Amino acid sequence: GAVVSQHPSRVICKSGTSVKIECRSLDFQATTMFWYRQFPKQSLMLMATSNEGSKATYEQGVEKDKFLINHASLTLSTLTVTSAHPEDSSFYICSAPRQVLPANYGYTFGSGTRLTVV
Amino acid sequence: RKEVEQDPGPFNVPEGATVAFNCTYSNSASQSFFWYRQDCRKEPKLLMSVYSSGNEDGRFTAQLNRASQYISLLIRDSKLSDSATYLCVGENSWGKLQFGAGTQVVVTP
Repeated sequence: GAVVSQHPSRVICKSGTSVKIECRSLDFQATTMFWYRQFPKQSLMLMATSNEGSKATYEQGVEKDKFLINHASLTLSTLTVTSAHPEDSSFYICSAPRQVLPANYGYTFGSGTRLTVV
Repeated sequence: RKEVEQDPGPFNVPEGATVAFNCTYSNSASQSFFWYRQDCRKEPKLLMSVYSSGNEDGRFTAQLNRASQYISLLIRDSKLSDSATYLCVGENSWGKLQFGAGTQVVVTP
């Protein structure tokens, strides 16, 4: 249980276009979704935290107008990279707290989206 | 200084051997710790949680030393399938995760 489905898994887009990444919790309700970015040989860096029904919280240095996050329902959170540039090319991955009774246990990750901006 | 630091490796390990590596953390407020495994170009997968008393899961043993602020992972009887990057992760009281950059392990035949 506790599966997060993320898509697309890979996307190549032209500079200046926007890309939407979706993360769906399939068998549990994800009231919170964390969005990370990982550059090659680096650690996952938290970009923002989305909460269902409220505004996302962005980490320092992350442009909220460029990385639009929407958490419209308990099972869907989206990240839109607007006006993408080559430096936005990265591995984007979402994660939700796992709610496995009788206790919360870790986090479940989406399978990641590899974005290449050309 | 990064909050979670790891030796990037690679640790080249003959099949059947034992390998161990640590990570250090700087935030003493970190509440929980985990080891995740990440295969190339894939998402991280939880390997095990880390407890102060030390815990073992099959061939994997994890240990947390709060006094010295480090976490260790030991893999016994290494298998080829253990080749991966191992991420050390700390969680603070707000549920925010801090990832290390990972330690690469390469198990050779």
